[in-house]
Amino acid sequence: RKEVEQDPGPFNVPEGATVAFNCTYSNSASQSFFWYRQDCRKEPKLLMSVYSSGNEDGRFTAQLNRASQYISLLIRDSKLSDSATYLCVARHYNTDKLIFGTGTRLQVFP
Amino acid sequence: DTGVSQNPRHKITKRGQNVTFRCDPISEHNRLYWYRQTLGQGPEFLTYFQNEAQLEKSRLLSDRFSAERPKGSFSTLEIQRTEQGDSAMYLCASSPQETQYFGPGTRLLVL
Repeated sequence: RKEVEQDPGPFNVPEGATVAFNCTYSNSASQSFFWYRQDCRKEPKLLMSVYSSGNEDGRFTAQLNRASQYISLLIRDSKLSDSATYLCVARHYNTDKLIFGTGTRLQVFP
Repeated sequence: DTGVSQNPRHKITKRGQNVTFRCDPISEHNRLYWYRQTLGQGPEFLTYFQNEAQLEKSRLLSDRFSAERPKGSFSTLEIQRTEQGDSAMYLCASSPQETQYFGPGTRLLVL
């Protein structure tokens, strides 16, 4: 079983739709969490950090539930430019390495 | 451009050859990481440096792989006696503390 698990998708949604991605992690040593975005054949880029209190950045909302070891990303009013792979990432408290999920692919169509 | 840079961007080699990749981190970042990504998977951690010290190595890093960061600035990743299973994107990231910033990667194809 992978340490960070995501539904690989693809999620195909129309412009303007709201879409939610979920992620679970199995290692309780995971301390920090992030969502990275990766475009085809490009490097991952940090989208946002994830906090237990929840955080929002424009159309994007991320949430962490430590009791359930569950992370979510909500994208409202989807744009064509949101089409990408979204990587759920955990960082252990005693090491600096990032543990990535396999990514969830999003395709927004007109 | 002040981001992380990697060279070469693409490398095609024959099985059994040695290859070396270079990563230049963002200048003030003392932490440097190497990851490997295969198709349909997320990046997997390989190794990590703080300044010139290599602090952690993944079990994925077999004895054919070696990484260095001699002066605490740029880093090299060498793969000896390449195998077809080494074909992947090799990503470098640097960090001042928590957030890691990735370079564009070196795409390796072993024939």
